[in-house]
Amino acid sequence: DTEVTQTPKHLVMGMTNKKSLKCEQHMGHRAMYWYKQKAKKPPELMFVYSYEKLSINESVPSRFSPECPNSSLLNLHLHALQPEDSALYLCASSQEERQPFYEQYFGPGTRLTVT
Amino acid sequence: QKEVEQDPGPLSVPEGAIVSLNCTYSNSAFQYFMWYRQYSRKGPELLMYTYSSGNKEDGRFTAQVDKSSKYISLFIRDSQPSDSATYLCAMRTSGSRLTFGEGTQLTVNP
Repeated sequence: DTEVTQTPKHLVMGMTNKKSLKCEQHMGHRAMYWYKQKAKKPPELMFVYSYEKLSINESVPSRFSPECPNSSLLNLHLHALQPEDSALYLCASSQEERQPFYEQYFGPGTRLTVT
Repeated sequence: QKEVEQDPGPLSVPEGAIVSLNCTYSNSAFQYFMWYRQYSRKGPELLMYTYSSGNKEDGRFTAQVDKSSKYISLFIRDSQPSDSATYLCAMRTSGSRLTFGEGTQLTVNP
C-alpha cells in the first residue's frame, strides 16, 4: 500500500480566511513533505518533516504554517493568503529522509484557489 | 542554467509507438533517479527509480541512466492512450531534496 491521502480535494478561500490542509499516510513512513505545484510546472518543495520534526523550510512565507501532530499526519495551516498562492498543494511521504533506496510517494493533492 | 533539463514537449505519438523521454543534468552529485507520471489534476505517481548506470525494466517501461553523460531516459514500449500524461524526471543526491525536470507532456493517440 503506497497511499497518501489528502483532504480536501478542492478549497476556495478568501484572503482573510484561515483554513487547513490535511495529509495522512499509514505506510510507517517517517518523513513527510509539502510541495506546491503551479500549472505546467514541477512541484516545488516547501517543508520537510523527519520523525515529526521540521527539518527543511524552503523560506516559505509565514502565512503557510506546517504541523506534524504524529507520524501519520501532516497539516498545512493557511492564513492571509494571496491570489498567487493558488496552486495544487501536494503531500508526499518516504520511509526516511536521509537514507538511500527510498522514494517519495505523493498524494493526489489539494487544489487551492484564493479569491 | 537549470540543474535538470527536460524538453516540455508536447509530444504526440500514435498508439503502439515507442516513446523516448529524456533528461540531462549538470550536478554530478546526483545519485538517485526517478520518473514520475502525472495525470491531469492529479498528484505525481512514482513510475520507476534507478540508482546506478544501466537499464532497469518494468513491463513496458525501461529506465536508462548514463552517469558519464549525465543523461537519463524513459522508454515506453507499445504505448497506450492511457499513457497520456506528463512525465517528470527527478533526481537527488544523498539527501531528500528532489530536483525535478520541467516535465514532458505526452499524448498517445488511438
